[in-house]
Amino acid sequence: SQQGEEDPQALSIQEGENATMNCSYKTSINNLQWYRQNSGRGLVHLILIRSNEREKHSGRLRVTLDTSKKSSSLLITASRAADTASYFCATDAASNYQLIWGAGTKLIIKP
Amino acid sequence: NAGVTQTPKFRVLKTGQSMTLLCAQDMNHEYMYWYRQDPGMGLRLIHYSVGEGTTAKGEVPDGYNVSRLKKQNFLLGLESAAPSQTSVYFCASSYPGNQPQHFGDGTRLSIL
Repeated sequence: SQQGEEDPQALSIQEGENATMNCSYKTSINNLQWYRQNSGRGLVHLILIRSNEREKHSGRLRVTLDTSKKSSSLLITASRAADTASYFCATDAASNYQLIWGAGTKLIIKP
Repeated sequence: NAGVTQTPKFRVLKTGQSMTLLCAQDMNHEYMYWYRQDPGMGLRLIHYSVGEGTTAKGEVPDGYNVSRLKKQNFLLGLESAAPSQTSVYFCASSYPGNQPQHFGDGTRLSIL
């Protein structure tokens, strides 16, 4: 079963624009994580945000978490061609051993 | 500084054949995971291990077996491959407690 659901499924923007992806989940969490997956590669961890945090930054990435709405957003500012990838959210609702993954947002940055 | 290494990277099997996918990590992580990734879906957990000598079932364990004889290695076995097991398989490792997971680059497996 999928806990996290990303929205939109696909996003195409011009280089230099900002990209926003959303993740919704169904049950209470301790933390939520965002990952990036380049074509043909494994997933790479981007940011972990805990349930008592509302916002977190890492370079051009900004993640927000709204536990009342059970949703999170990932903002990539000043997008670059190298940001072209799929982005996944994952939550830890199931247990201390498992993450539950969404289906991902495919982001394409047009030069 | 290899991180998580998966072998092989590609494999084609015939229905009914068996094989073992290998995963090795050099970060001294306690937890290791095997996932499969199918088009349009998120990762689905097959089996996981919270330490050397321990394994547990994930969301989609049927048709797979695993072993963790050494802390750094996690093996995924297919005893009798079926076309439904055509997928990309990812191994990951992490520290305990749902910490960030580190992934290998995957094994692309086709069952004919």
